[in-house]
Amino acid sequence: KNQVEQSPQSLIILEGKNCTLQCNYTVSPFSNLRWYKQDTGRGPVSLTIMTFSENTKSNGRYTATLDADTKQSSLHITASQLSDSASYICVVSASSWGKLQFGAGTQVVVTP
Amino acid sequence: GAVVSQHPSRVICKSGTSVKIECRSLDFQATTMFWYRQFPKQSLMLMATSNEGSKATYEQGVEKDKFLINHASLTLSTLTVTSAHPEDSSFYICSATGQGLESTYTEAFFGQGTRLTVV
Repeated sequence: KNQVEQSPQSLIILEGKNCTLQCNYTVSPFSNLRWYKQDTGRGPVSLTIMTFSENTKSNGRYTATLDADTKQSSLHITASQLSDSASYICVVSASSWGKLQFGAGTQVVVTP
Repeated sequence: GAVVSQHPSRVICKSGTSVKIECRSLDFQATTMFWYRQFPKQSLMLMATSNEGSKATYEQGVEKDKFLINHASLTLSTLTVTSAHPEDSSFYICSATGQGLESTYTEAFFGQGTRLTVV
């Protein structure tokens, strides 16, 4: 069973609207959680990285939250743009230099 | 952020031939490189981890004789798919981490990926 579960699997939103992606994990011990954006046919690009002591972190219109107690994270996209269309991947690491556990990703499509 | 360059971005080869994919860290010394495989609409699957100067560690189910990994320098790792078959067609991605990165934890920088098609 995958230790990192993401939802929804995919979503379609109108340009300018906001959306929130969810990530639940069972990885333990926990070191850090990352959100990556992956455009089709490209490698993932880091959006945010949070350790257990961080509750929220922003990168432009992207805001990630983390609840290490419930092992949940979310990625909020504000005022979506067409260029936000991509797969968003939640990745959890069990230690500072440990193996990364990847979620399956949420495919976001932003329509005009 | 740090840059990882992967080449080629796309390759088409005939069944039975071998293909080499390169992964270079451009502005840091990559002590560890990771090779992933990704099927359409699926997550990245770790194939192997390589540390500079030592043999790669392969994940369970990955054939080490088929997917040859070399990490001979701190800036270059290569993945060679030997005797390629159509089922090897996939998206291959490398990532790197190492010295010189301003981080207290592993910041994984990914290459652009290589789309391999075996015909």
